[in-house]
Amino acid sequence: NAGVTQTPKFQVLKTGQSMTLQCAQDMNHEYMSWYRQDPGMGLRLIHYSVGAGITDQGEVPNGYNVSRSTTEDFPLRLLSAAPSQTSVYFCASSSLEGRGGSRFYNEQFFGPGTRLTVL
Amino acid sequence: EDQVTQSPEALRLQEGESSSLNCSYTVSGLRGLFWYRQDPGKGPEFLFTLYSAGEEKEKERLKATLTKKESFLHITAPKPEDSATYLCAVLSSGTYKYIFGTGTRLKVLA
Repeated sequence: NAGVTQTPKFQVLKTGQSMTLQCAQDMNHEYMSWYRQDPGMGLRLIHYSVGAGITDQGEVPNGYNVSRSTTEDFPLRLLSAAPSQTSVYFCASSSLEGRGGSRFYNEQFFGPGTRLTVL
Repeated sequence: EDQVTQSPEALRLQEGESSSLNCSYTVSGLRGLFWYRQDPGKGPEFLFTLYSAGEEKEKERLKATLTKKESFLHITAPKPEDSATYLCAVLSSGTYKYIFGTGTRLKVLA
């Protein structure tokens, strides 16, 4: 299994440009999420999805769009990049299935990250 | 509002010097508390999940404990390879939004 993959690893954009960060997982996980990580701020949730066709906003959703057409893929779109979106972006996935009949909220598996710079 | 606070922000230990990292949380109801390790330039790597007060989990030199207000990550006789940032996250009842703390940067000196 490749786990969670993200592309690209690095990206430089100019203010106002748009782009899509790709995220894919091969573990058949229902839950997928996008975070941004900034110095001193920790990981902040941007958007998340609990299954194909279902997405919802996290803590910092402004300026970002997501869609989930398949279980495997969860792309993050920057509509009009701004310098404030300079950050490291992580995608993560987890299983929501229970074990032994009980529903446990399981650990998230993270991708390697995309370092984005907006000039 | 759900909140997670980790302390200290940074910690320097000599090899073999045991210590504890703290994660204090405020949630309406706890579904799970998660510990991750993050190395520079990499994504977080899962360590433990704790679901209820009194629960403990161990892995090599690490032991995680949970009360109704906080969790501790105890590091026994640390080695330089334990140097990393340790992140704590919570998932509260009625939501799928994981809330992360800002982490503790641990440096273990040989």
